[in-house]
Parts: sequence; structure tokens; C-alpha cells
Amino acid sequence: AQSVAQPEDQVNVAEGNPLTVKCTYSVSGNPYLFWYVQYPNRGLQFLLKYITGDNLVKGSYGFEAEFNKSQTSFHLKKPSALVSDSALYFCAVRVVSNDMRFGAGTRLTVKP
Amino acid sequence: DAGVIQSPRHEVTEMGQEVTLRCKPISGHDYLFWYRQTMMRGLELLIYFNNNVPIDDSGMPEDRFSAKMPNASFSTLKIQPSEPRDSAVYFCASSVLGGSTEAFFGQGTRLTVV
Repeated sequence: AQSVAQPEDQVNVAEGNPLTVKCTYSVSGNPYLFWYVQYPNRGLQFLLKYITGDNLVKGSYGFEAEFNKSQTSFHLKKPSALVSDSALYFCAVRVVSNDMRFGAGTRLTVKP
Repeated sequence: DAGVIQSPRHEVTEMGQEVTLRCKPISGHDYLFWYRQTMMRGLELLIYFNNNVPIDDSGMPEDRFSAKMPNASFSTLKIQPSEPRDSAVYFCASSVLGGSTEAFFGQGTRLTVV
């Protein structure tokens, strides 16, 4: 069965500093990996995805993610955090079974 | 396209009552997912459909929960009878294809069972 893990419930970072939100995956076969963001009282919004090819994927709002097959990781990154980036972030995986499974979520807080 | 549309946005009901949540996926999308979000359990996949056919309902917590997709533009999630522990935010999502395509989420229905 496929799954993703987000080892950190909470990440705090100062505005202007780089941020990393971690995700590891467990699948049999080649994974399709996704990052979503959720703002309060809203649905999840798609940020970026990894399908194949270049291990560094660029997405919306200046976010990027690095796929590392040997470490089975797909960490979300941004070079310079904004206060408005504060939200709940979810990693997700999808394989040939076509269902999409989400991690527990990581709450990112960016302080001025 | 207006995106995935869920109704109602908020539902408050008494224990034992029947609750029906509704979802209109994005036109042309072949997959439809129902998720439940709680603080304790995070985002759980309840059931998903492909071309209106239920593919995997192993996430449905109990027989009190049922889901249907009578056509490509409408799906329902029903809870009968409802219980306080069903209180959660329920999301519907749809995607064009499987595998590498992302899913698009509705705004969710916040269900409170008192």
C-alpha cells in the first residue's frame, strides 16, 4: 500500500528565511507525488507535482520540491518565506491504483 | 469552470438524523474522491469513483456511510444515522485522469452532529 509521512507537525521560520517542509513516501512502483496547501476554512489547493524527469520541481507561489529516490523523499522548499505562506501543507502520493493518499499535514508558521 | 462545488457549506444536525452531502465535480473529470478531515485523524480517503463506478470504499468507516454517483456531474455522501463522532469537514475532489494528474478540491462541508 502506498503512504506518505510528514515527520513534523509544525515548522516555524522567520520571514525572509528559507523554509523546508519534509515528506517521505512508501510505495511499490513509481510514485506520483504532490504538494497541497490549505488556508483556514478553505479546501486544499494544488502547489506542484512530481511525475518523472527532473528531480527539482517548481510550482506556484515560488515553491519548489526536490524528489530524492534513494531517500524516498519529496521535501517542499522556498528560498525566502513570506508571512502569507503560513498555512497547513499536505504531501500526497498516487500510484497505479489511482487513489490519492495524504500525509498528516504540517503547519507552517512564518513570523515577521 | 467554477471548480468542484460542494453543498451545503455548513450542516448542523442532531444525532440520529440522516445527513446528505453533495458534490458537483469539474466537468470532464473522470475521478471523484470523498475525504474526511479531523484534527485527530487528518485527511482520510473515504471512497473514490472512476467514471461513476465506486472503485475503493475501504475507507468508509461504517455501514452508516454510503456514497453514490448517479451521473458524471453529481455525487452524494450520506450518513444515516449520524453520530457526534461524525463531526468533521468533508471534502470532495475530482481529477481528469488517474496517476499523474492532480485532484482539485471543493471548499468542503463542515458537519456538526449534536
